[in-house]
Amino acid sequence: DVVMTQSPDSLAVSVGETATISCKSNQSLLHSSNNENFLGWYQQKGGQPPNLLIYWASTRQSGVPDRFSGSGSGTDFTLTISSLQAEDVAVYYCQQYYTSPPTFGQGTKLEIK
Amino acid sequence: QLQLQESGPGLVKPSETLSLTCTVSGGSISSSGHFWSWIRQPPGKGLEWIGSVDNSGSTSYSPSLKSRLTMSVDTSRKHFSLKLTSVTAADTAVYYCARPKTLYYDRSGFYYVWVNWGHGHLVTVSS
Repeated sequence: DVVMTQSPDSLAVSVGETATISCKSNQSLLHSSNNENFLGWYQQKGGQPPNLLIYWASTRQSGVPDRFSGSGSGTDFTLTISSLQAEDVAVYYCQQYYTSPPTFGQGTKLEIK
Repeated sequence: QLQLQESGPGLVKPSETLSLTCTVSGGSISSSGHFWSWIRQPPGKGLEWIGSVDNSGSTSYSPSLKSRLTMSVDTSRKHFSLKLTSVTAADTAVYYCARPKTLYYDRSGFYYVWVNWGHGHLVTVSS
């Protein structure tokens, strides 16, 4: 299985500032056939199911605010949340869909400082 | 708008079979290329893909659960189901059903992320 490792496990950021979450995979997620990285990001607020934010490592899902952005390639990826708002408090997960079984990172808990 | 709803027992005894159903409304369960999925989350922990089934009944299972797992789809009743045998306390989790968004496919298979989720159903394994 592809192992996804996120860092940090938790972080606290002030409203209006920028939060950065890292996700690393133990093998490349860059697919040669379409030159895309098979990596997604989800947000999970308390007591709710996950919500897809980003796929192809950097493509925002419809309806996701543009303060959420994804970057990276190969094995190293980043989720950036700019102008942090109180409603962004959640646990964030990366997920690879490059190979089966699809696997998730352990999650990063984002809180307001 | 597509909605998914999990249902089933909330308490299962060790060594017994966990059975859950996901009812689909507001959309078609029969459309091709959709891999109706189950994903679970132990309390306070991360997400684990369990398996997926398409409208023809073709399945893909997590290798770690494959020996205990059966998934099926009933298009006439607009639901798909999960059966997990010989459960232990380690199977205690919130079980989500989900419909993915297929992003790509090739000879190796389909590649997808999950867009539509049920609210989740807590299953506790305890005597």
